[in-house]
Amino acid sequence: SQTIHQWPATLVQPVGSPLSLECTVEGTSNPNLYWYRQAAGRGLQLLFYSVGIGQISSEVPQNLSASRPQDRQFILSSKKLLLSDSGFYLCAWGDRNEQYFGPGTRLTVT
Amino acid sequence: DQQVKQNSPSLSVQEGRISILNCDYTNSMFDYFLWYKKYPAEGPTFLISISSIKDKNEDGRFTVFLNKSAKHLSLHIVPSQPGDSAVYFCAASANSGAGSYQLTFGKGTKLSVIP
Repeated sequence: SQTIHQWPATLVQPVGSPLSLECTVEGTSNPNLYWYRQAAGRGLQLLFYSVGIGQISSEVPQNLSASRPQDRQFILSSKKLLLSDSGFYLCAWGDRNEQYFGPGTRLTVT
Repeated sequence: DQQVKQNSPSLSVQEGRISILNCDYTNSMFDYFLWYKKYPAEGPTFLISISSIKDKNEDGRFTVFLNKSAKHLSLHIVPSQPGDSAVYFCAASANSGAGSYQLTFGKGTKLSVIP
């Protein structure tokens, strides 16, 4: 069966510091991968998606970036965090129309 | 422009009664709809889905109804249980090409089932 991992589970970072969140998927090959953010009181906002290694599409212009160095690895990064980057970050893998989410990372930027 | 709308941010229902969560959409290209359930500090979990070629899909206590002409779908939970208390997200999909299958989510409805 497929499993999706995210780490860290929680993170507190100061404004201006870098960010790296990692997501890995087991049990499937060449999955579509997605990064979402859920800010307080808001729905799930799609940030990036990837249909293959090195292929990244951005949905929202911001100071975040994503990379997919391996088939089942998806990384969310930032060079300098903003206060507005605080939120709950979710990685998901997709099987056609359905998506399956990881446990999430709670990021607090102070 | 919000393409998937869940106009009720919260809903309270007595245990054993029916919970009805509503969702409206504006994009006529959406052809697949999903409901996710989310507990605090966890990722959403897939509940049930429906294709636009159907108007009803049932899975145990959960039934999703789709009214394409009204661009409206609803999730019925019968009977409601305290463990159903969570935030429910409606999502819609339109194949955007290149096989990306993006989902557009509503803002969620927080369901509280009162024992």
